[in-house]
Amino acid sequence: KNEVEQSPQNLTAQEGEFITINCSYSVGISALHWLQQHPGGGIVSLFMLSSGKKKHGRLIATINIQEKHSSLHITASHPRDSAVYICAVDFSGGGADGLTFGKGTHLIIQP
Amino acid sequence: DVKVTQSSRYLVKRTGEKVFLECVQDMDHENMFWYRQDPGLGLRLIYFSYDVKMKEKGDIPEGYSVSREKKERFSLILESASTNQTSMYLCASSSPDDSIGIQYFGAGTRLSVL
Repeated sequence: KNEVEQSPQNLTAQEGEFITINCSYSVGISALHWLQQHPGGGIVSLFMLSSGKKKHGRLIATINIQEKHSSLHITASHPRDSAVYICAVDFSGGGADGLTFGKGTHLIIQP
Repeated sequence: DVKVTQSSRYLVKRTGEKVFLECVQDMDHENMFWYRQDPGLGLRLIYFSYDVKMKEKGDIPEGYSVSREKKERFSLILESASTNQTSMYLCASSSPDDSIGIQYFGAGTRLSVL
């Protein structure tokens, strides 16, 4: 069965710390998504990766296809970064069969 | 901006009721999805549709059905709601023309079945 493992499940850090969230998957993929979910449920797509590295502001996402692993980094973390971060993988190609999700990382950044 | 709209943010229903969750997208996307999200289990795919009147079972279709009569609207139906269907339900859409398949999510419907 295609699986997505995310770690840590919970993470509490102080403002300004460098944050890393990890995602591993079981078989080859066509794309990997990092999603952010704020309290109240709305989900926002942060990144979509099929190789290499992407950067947007203080967020950096990397993927290693050979190792079947991706990381999401937050530099200079801020309390407004507090959210659930979800790794989601497209095993099928083109997204037509839906995504398989990790269980999420609940991040709390304390002032 | 892509907009995926779910008809209700919060819904409370009684066991045995028939429940309709509606989702509308405004980007002419062919693909639409229904997920449920539960603590400790993450998001799981219930059903998806890649065209009008087409539907495919996801990972957990039992107890649910769907309807896609128009391209922009994808409905999730709980024929006889049960307490174990209390959950957050999320709708998403994507275009097959987007080769790397970004999905756009609605805000979610938190359903409580009493």
